[in-house]
Amino acid sequence: QKEVEQNSGPLSVPEGAIASLNCTYSDRGSQSFFWYRQYSGKSPELIMFIYSNGDKEDGRFTAQLNKASQYVSLLIRDSQPSDSATYLCAVIGAGFQKLVFGTGTRLLVSP
Amino acid sequence: EPEVTQTPSHQVTQMGQEVILRCVPISNHLYFYWYRQILGQKVEFLVSFYNNEISEKSEIFDDQFSVERPDGSNFTLKIRSTKLEDSAMYFCASSLTASNQPQHFGDGTRLSIL
Repeated sequence: QKEVEQNSGPLSVPEGAIASLNCTYSDRGSQSFFWYRQYSGKSPELIMFIYSNGDKEDGRFTAQLNKASQYVSLLIRDSQPSDSATYLCAVIGAGFQKLVFGTGTRLLVSP
Repeated sequence: EPEVTQTPSHQVTQMGQEVILRCVPISNHLYFYWYRQILGQKVEFLVSFYNNEISEKSEIFDDQFSVERPDGSNFTLKIRSTKLEDSAMYFCASSLTASNQPQHFGDGTRLSIL
């Protein structure tokens, strides 16, 4: 069973701080990695995707991938109270089309 | 920005009845998906659909479930003989291609089985 693991949190950070969210995955052949944000009662909203080792930046968000360690992370700079949500890590394994989701990390940004 | 639309937003059905959940994927996308999320649990994959046939399905997607693209825009999930444990949020998603393209999700249908 291919697994994606995340700390459920909550991760609490003050407004303006950097939030660091982490994810590990079990399928070494995985090729595609995604971060979704999910507000309570809402659908997953795509934040970032990354395919290659290293960092990928988009505005306040940076995704980091280390395939050797089977580790993906999401950094949110200058965190805002509106960033408070559950962040879902999702992975597509080699030869598959389905997203395999982690349980999500709940982020709380306090004013 | 193009989006995936789902109807209805909330469906309440008696146990044993059949329900059809509807989705309109993003117009130029070729791959369509259904996921579900039971309250407090992970988002789980049900099925993917490409070129008018199922391309991948999970163990959850048994004979109780079926999918169809009845016309050029709609994509439906039918659940027969609904059970209490089918109560969940059902999300439709679409992507331009498979494997490494982002999947964009609709707002979901909350299905409540009584």
